[in-house]
Amino acid sequence: DSGVTQTPKHLITATGQRVTLRCSPRSGDLSVYWYQQSLDQGLQFLIQYYNGEERAKGNILERFSAQQFPDLHSELNLSSLELGDSALYFCASSALGGLGTEAFFGQGTRLTVV
Amino acid sequence: GESVGLHLPTLSVQEGDNSIINCAYSNSASDYFIWYKQESGKGPQFIIDIRSNMDKRQGQRVTVLLNKTVKHLSLQIAATQPGDSAVYFCAEIGGSQGNLIFGKGTKLSVKP
Repeated sequence: DSGVTQTPKHLITATGQRVTLRCSPRSGDLSVYWYQQSLDQGLQFLIQYYNGEERAKGNILERFSAQQFPDLHSELNLSSLELGDSALYFCASSALGGLGTEAFFGQGTRLTVV
Repeated sequence: GESVGLHLPTLSVQEGDNSIINCAYSNSASDYFIWYKQESGKGPQFIIDIRSNMDKRQGQRVTVLLNKTVKHLSLQIAATQPGDSAVYFCAEIGGSQGNLIFGKGTKLSVKP
């Protein structure tokens, strides 16, 4: 158990809908990363938050947004969902802002858009 | 468990043999590298890391080698076991943003 908790584990929704994925980082970790893993893309970095503020942005669509709350948990919001958004979404946390520290991953949320 | 189903390079080894998984990274400014193992249906799991001021680091049954000249990273697994079967990713941290960027991954299959 990595100590990173993601909910829900599975999510099935229809095209055009909006969903929220939740991540609780390891106790004491200030940095949260979100990744998308689809069948043909590997692990794609979406966005990183550090102590409540956006730190880095990767290949995140405008339909997607995230935030990190004062208690350090994070949510990834996916809207106007398309079939191609079906993927595993992973959250990871690290103690610092990615500056030479390992990141621990949650078990992921499998999103299926039908 | 669920399979990621990626069309990945695959390395097939016999149980007990040594495995070498290679990775080419992209950013010459990267200063920290990590190898992750991802089993079917699970999130990536940290294996070993190395900083750019080192060229070799050893763990339990694993060794990571870093060649900064050619931007190449390798993971060596000694006495490979069936439980080592997984997808292995290298990841780099560096640049102005310091975020963790993953390579494509290699699927390791261990034959009993």
